[in-house]
Amino acid sequence: EPEVTQTPSHQVTQMGQEVILRCVPISNHLYFYWYRQILGQKVEFLVSFYNNEISEKSEIFDDQFSVERPDGSNFTLKIRSTKLEDSAMYFCASRVSGSQYFGPGTRLLVL
Amino acid sequence: GIQVEQSPPDLILQEGANSTLRCNFSDSVNNLQWFHQNPWGQLINLFYIPSGTKQNGRLSATTVATERYSLLYISSSQTTDSGVYFCAVPTSGTYKYIFGTGTRLKVLA
Repeated sequence: EPEVTQTPSHQVTQMGQEVILRCVPISNHLYFYWYRQILGQKVEFLVSFYNNEISEKSEIFDDQFSVERPDGSNFTLKIRSTKLEDSAMYFCASRVSGSQYFGPGTRLLVL
Repeated sequence: GIQVEQSPPDLILQEGANSTLRCNFSDSVNNLQWFHQNPWGQLINLFYIPSGTKQNGRLSATTVATERYSLLYISSSQTTDSGVYFCAVPTSGTYKYIFGTGTRLKVLA
């Protein structure tokens, strides 16, 4: 069964550094999402992406965040200057219609 | 926006017991998914269930869309069922998911 993959599985970074989280959605999917889960809390929507542009973003998704689909297969989330409060699990998801398929997540720790 | 509440927030069971987890949502939806978050943090899809009942082994789910709730049944629980169970519903438009608050399940041997 096709699946969404994410790299890296874990990343530790220093506050103020840039990080790029990578996702490979399922190949025929058209809609892409990033979600975030701070430890012990529920999963929150960050951004949705369709037809090479952002279709919706949450208030969490400020100017420090950006997304890109650089080559038709990868879908990336960039955090320009990480803060301590960016420490969380980040999930990528994709869909063609109906249900969303979630990747295994990237656990980001900002020190 | 749509609100999604889950109950109970925490549940402790002895191995072999049955349980029912509930997900209430505040507005009509055309889809609902149940996930199990395992100890490694991965979200494992359990059911995509906009309405009706589905079964998969020891797990089954029922969604009554007209009454805005869904139930997840776990029978003969095992220690590997431990983790957090989330329901999620899509909003209209971009179909982004709104997740519930989760039920943390611990199954004791």
